[in-house]
Amino acid sequence: DTGVSQDPRHKITKRGQNVTFRCDPISEHNRLYWYRQTLGQGPEFLTYFQNEAQLEKSRLLSDRFSAERPKGSFSTLEIQRTEQGDSAMYLCASSLEDSLNEKLFFGSGTQLSVL
Amino acid sequence: QQQVKQSPQSLIVQKGGISIINCAYENTAFDYFPWYQQFPGKGPALLIAIRPDVSEKKEGRFTISFNKSAKQFSLHIMDSQPGDSATYFCAATRYLYNQGGKLIFGQGTELSVKP
Repeated sequence: DTGVSQDPRHKITKRGQNVTFRCDPISEHNRLYWYRQTLGQGPEFLTYFQNEAQLEKSRLLSDRFSAERPKGSFSTLEIQRTEQGDSAMYLCASSLEDSLNEKLFFGSGTQLSVL
Repeated sequence: QQQVKQSPQSLIVQKGGISIINCAYENTAFDYFPWYQQFPGKGPALLIAIRPDVSEKKEGRFTISFNKSAKQFSLHIMDSQPGDSATYFCAATRYLYNQGGKLIFGQGTELSVKP
């Protein structure tokens, strides 16, 4: 399978715990995005990387959230001290730089439930 | 100004009919307008996209109509099939050279095609 891979698919945690999600983009894709999607809503942009550089972070990304992309390959998204409001689907997407028609390929997401 | 408004929220169409989903945007700097299809438990998948220099783009049964002056665009699904039943999201972005383009998604339309 050469698509975007996310792990785990589901995560249940208790409020206050830390969680970490992993995303493996399509190989050779230099851009990687994180989005969050709640039930009945469209995905919301969180942050994105070009290679290993984190170029933009949304105001939605509080200081409890941190994302990394070491060596420009896989990426991790960590949420510290989880809150019930963090419950959502966390989507990762990757793309190959294309000047006019960037095409994002999404993974199947990690569904987070905070109890 | 960053919002993309999508309607209707849900749509029921008979097999063989035409499904029409509409979106409106405020930011005139947006220059790329994709549509994504999402099945339950999966991430969004790019369906078709358009740039504002054309008024219509067709790919198979899917057509985007774009009205720059009205700041509106729509997705038409011809000969709708039960397999088209999914949630559809419009999106928009302003592409910045060498920085990528984060997508602003609409709220989604849940399409159900009845046999």
